[in-house]
Amino acid sequence: ILNVEQSPQSLHVQEGDSTNFTCSFPSSNFYALHWYRWETAKSPEALFVMTLNGDEKKKGRISATLNTKEGYSYLYIKGSQPEDSATYLCAPNTGNQFYFGTGTSLTVIP
Amino acid sequence: KAGVTQTPRYLIKTRGQQVTLSCSPISGHRSVSWYQQTPGQGLQFLFEYFSETQRNKGNFPGRFSGRQFSNSRSEMNVSTLELGDSALYLCASSADGHPNTEAFFGQGTRLTVV
Repeated sequence: ILNVEQSPQSLHVQEGDSTNFTCSFPSSNFYALHWYRWETAKSPEALFVMTLNGDEKKKGRISATLNTKEGYSYLYIKGSQPEDSATYLCAPNTGNQFYFGTGTSLTVIP
Repeated sequence: KAGVTQTPRYLIKTRGQQVTLSCSPISGHRSVSWYQQTPGQGLQFLFEYFSETQRNKGNFPGRFSGRQFSNSRSEMNVSTLELGDSALYLCASSADGHPNTEAFFGQGTRLTVV
C-alpha cells in the first residue's frame, strides 16, 4: 500500500486567483504520476502523466511539476475560473495500479 | 471515439444479495481496472485485467471478483453484499495498462446496499 497525501483537502478561491496543490508520495518504486480532474457526477478526466524527475507539463492555465527524488508533485492553476471547480486527484502508478490520494476540492467563487 | 461505459449507473441491493457491474472500455483498449470509493476514502484498487487475465489484485475479500471477456469488456461481481460495500465503483480503461499510459475512467456505478 502506498500512502499518498494531498493538501490542502479543500480550497475556496476567488475567480482570477492563482492557486496550487501538493501531492506527496513515497519516492521508491516510482513509475509515473497521474493527475486527474473530477467534477461531480462526471468521470475523472486525465490532466497529466508525469514520469521523469523535473518533469513540467502544461495544459492551458494548468501546469504541474514533479520531483521523484523527494516524492512530491505540484499542480498550479493560473487565473482560476468557476469552471475549474472540481476535485483534483493525484495517483502514482507503481506497476499496473493507481494509488489515489483523497484529492483537493477546489471551489472558485465568481 | 466513445468513452468508457459503465452500467448500471445506480443500483440498490439488499444485504446478502450479489451484484454484477459492467464496464465497456474504449475500443482497442485491452486493460481494465476497477476501483472502489467509499465516503471519505480515496479510490481503492480492486483488480486489473489485461487480455482476459487478472494481472493484479487489491486487498479486498474474495467476495469481490471479476473477469474480462475477449472483447475487453469487464464485469465485477460482489457476492453476499454487506452494508459496507455501498460505494461508487469506477472502472478505468487503458491501451496496455502500462504505468505511463493514460487511463480513462467511466462515470461509475453507485451501489447502495440496504
